[in-house]
Amino acid sequence: AQKITQTQPGMFVQEKEAVTLDCTYDTSDQSYGLFWYKQPSSGEMIFLIYQGSYDEQNATEGRYSLNFQKARKSANLVISASQLGDSAMYFCAMREPVYGSSNTGKLIFGQGTTLQVKP
Amino acid sequence: NAGVMQNPRHLVRRRGQEARLRCSPMKGHSHVYWYRQLPEEGLKFMVYLQKENIIDESGMPKERFSAEFPKEGPSILRIQQVVRGDSAAYFCASSPLLTSGRGLQFFGPGTRLTVL
Repeated sequence: AQKITQTQPGMFVQEKEAVTLDCTYDTSDQSYGLFWYKQPSSGEMIFLIYQGSYDEQNATEGRYSLNFQKARKSANLVISASQLGDSAMYFCAMREPVYGSSNTGKLIFGQGTTLQVKP
Repeated sequence: NAGVMQNPRHLVRRRGQEARLRCSPMKGHSHVYWYRQLPEEGLKFMVYLQKENIIDESGMPKERFSAEFPKEGPSILRIQQVVRGDSAAYFCASSPLLTSGRGLQFFGPGTRLTVL
């Protein structure tokens, strides 16, 4: 069964520094997608970045980059130049592949990491 | 193009009452997912629907919970005879063609259900 593990319940980072949030996953599928979402205190889920299992290059979106190490089954999120507004809960998620009726593309989420940016 | 809409944003019910949560997907999206987030936890999949069809309800509790996505109108998640353990945030996400691209799911703002 697919599983996502985020081992850091809480992290602190100084403003303007970089921070890495860890995510490991477990799956026997060859085709899958990995996502990171941000959940601020207001509660909404904000999409940050996506990595496909066949993508050869690490994904980047502005200050966010995904350190994808397929052999180690890790998909760590790197936030560069942290800002106070980055303080939030961060979720790593894996999307099931879509085939047949048993796999329907649902997302499996980790437990989340709370990031606090210090001024 | 409006995003995913959910209402109400906050819902308070007493034990034993019914809760109805509504989700209007993004225009052109025909796939809807419901997730539940218990306090201090990640989101857990509940059910996946297409118009007029429940495709995967493997995450739904066996009793008291039901979902629908009619041909016209929003998707509804219904919880009968609510208990305190149902208190959670319920998120709806919609997606376009499932097999195209990254299959990104767009989340609504969530409904926070509190059971007294």
